Amino acid sequence: AQSVTQLGSHVSVSEGALVLLRCNYSSSVPPYLFWYVQYPNQGLQLLLKYTTGATLVKGINGFEAEFKKSETSFHLTKPSAHMSDAAEYFCAVTNAGGTSYGKLTFGQGTILTVHP
Amino acid sequence: KAGVTQTPRYLIKTRGQQVTLSCSPISGHRSVSWYQQTPGQGLQFLFEYFSETQRNKGNFPGRFSGRQFSNSRSEMNVSTLELGDSALYLCASSPGLAAETQYFGPGTRLLVL
Repeated sequence: AQSVTQLGSHVSVSEGALVLLRCNYSSSVPPYLFWYVQYPNQGLQLLLKYTTGATLVKGINGFEAEFKKSETSFHLTKPSAHMSDAAEYFCAVTNAGGTSYGKLTFGQGTILTVHP
Repeated sequence: KAGVTQTPRYLIKTRGQQVTLSCSPISGHRSVSWYQQTPGQGLQFLFEYFSETQRNKGNFPGRFSGRQFSNSRSEMNVSTLELGDSALYLCASSPGLAAETQYFGPGTRLLVL
């Protein structure tokens, strides 16, 4: 079974400050990892994904994440927060095995608040 | 390409009724997955369909069912609604190979009274 833990249900930063959202996963097989963002009353939008290869993944809107196998982590960062980054962020895991067809396992989400 | 569309966007039902939600995937995508999102349980996988066949299923009671049509559009049905079924129901589409990116629709918000 796979699982995802997002440390911190709420993170608050000032505009222009570093954003760090933490995600740890558990998987017995090589994971495929995703970060999604959800704005109020909307669906989920993909920020970035890790499949194989380069462990530092760059996404949209200046976000990036680094896959660290030894730490089973996939933390999301952005050097400088913008007011428009305020939203809920979800880390998700799946794998290439047949039992995972179409199934993402999500963390509980982190609400990011950005103060002026 | 047009994104994933879901209808209706909002729905109010009473306990004991049944409901059908619809999802149209991105053109060319053959896989549709359904998720339930609630404040208490978060995002939970319901089931996935590919080429009109259910390939995967989450841990939900049999009251939750789905189907997929030959044009890849999908429906999910919840029978004998309970108050706890109030949630945002999200569908996502992908081309269909394992571990491919899923693209989400805006969701259907269901309120059960």
